[in-house]
Amino acid sequence: EPEVTQTPSHQVTQMGQEVILRCVPISNHLYFYWYRQILGQKVEFLVSFYNNEISEKSEIFDDQFSVERPDGSNFTLKIRSTKLEDSAMYFCASQPRGLGTEAFFGQGTRLTVV
Amino acid sequence: GENVEQHPSTLSVQEGDSAVIKCTYSDSASNYFPWYKQELGKRPQLIIDIRSNVGEKKDQRIAVTLNKTAKHFSLHITETQPEDSAVYFCAASSQSGGGADGLTFGKGTHLIIQP
Repeated sequence: EPEVTQTPSHQVTQMGQEVILRCVPISNHLYFYWYRQILGQKVEFLVSFYNNEISEKSEIFDDQFSVERPDGSNFTLKIRSTKLEDSAMYFCASQPRGLGTEAFFGQGTRLTVV
Repeated sequence: GENVEQHPSTLSVQEGDSAVIKCTYSDSASNYFPWYKQELGKRPQLIIDIRSNVGEKKDQRIAVTLNKTAKHFSLHITETQPEDSAVYFCAASSQSGGGADGLTFGKGTHLIIQP
C-alpha cells in the first residue's frame, strides 16, 4: 500500500539554525499539507499546497516557514531560524483530491531544537 | 477560523463496553468530519469520516453521528477491545476554496480499555 514517507525521522538542531524537513507524498496525490504536533498536544495545521502554490496557511506559518515542491515528488518544509518552541513532531500529509477525501499522514519528523 | 472542541480528554472503559467521544465545531461552512486514531509515537490514521449530507455512518464496531444544526458530531465504538486503546482526534475542514483545506483538530481523547 502506498505511503507518505518523511525524512529524517528525528532531527536535532541548534537554535537559530535552518532545517529542511522532507516528504514524499503518495504519487498520484494532488494536495499536500504540513501539520505539527507539540508533545502531548493536538495536531495543528500549518499549510496546504496545491497546483504548485500555497492554498492556505495558519497563523503559525509565519515568515520563518516556507514550503517547496522542487521536483514533482518531494515536498519540503523549511524553517529558516529555528526557535526552542519549534520543537515538535512535524507531519506531512497528502490527499488524492480536495475537500472530503482522506488525508494520508507520513510517520512524522521529530524536530528537537536545543 | 474553525474551532473544534473535543470531550472527554481521557476515557477509561471496561473491555467489551462502549465508548463515546464528542466534538463540537464552530464554522457552519465545515462539511467534512474525519476521525483519526493515533497510537503512541505513530502517525494519525483515519478510522472513519462523515460528510455533512449524512447524519450517521457505521463501519463494523465504529459509528459516527453528525448533527449539523447543533454543530456536533460523535464517535461511537462498541464492544471495545484492548487494541482500541489510543488517542482519538476529531477534525473538521472549513471551506476556503480550492479544495486544499486544512483540517482543524480537536485536542484528542486518550481512550484506555481496561481488561
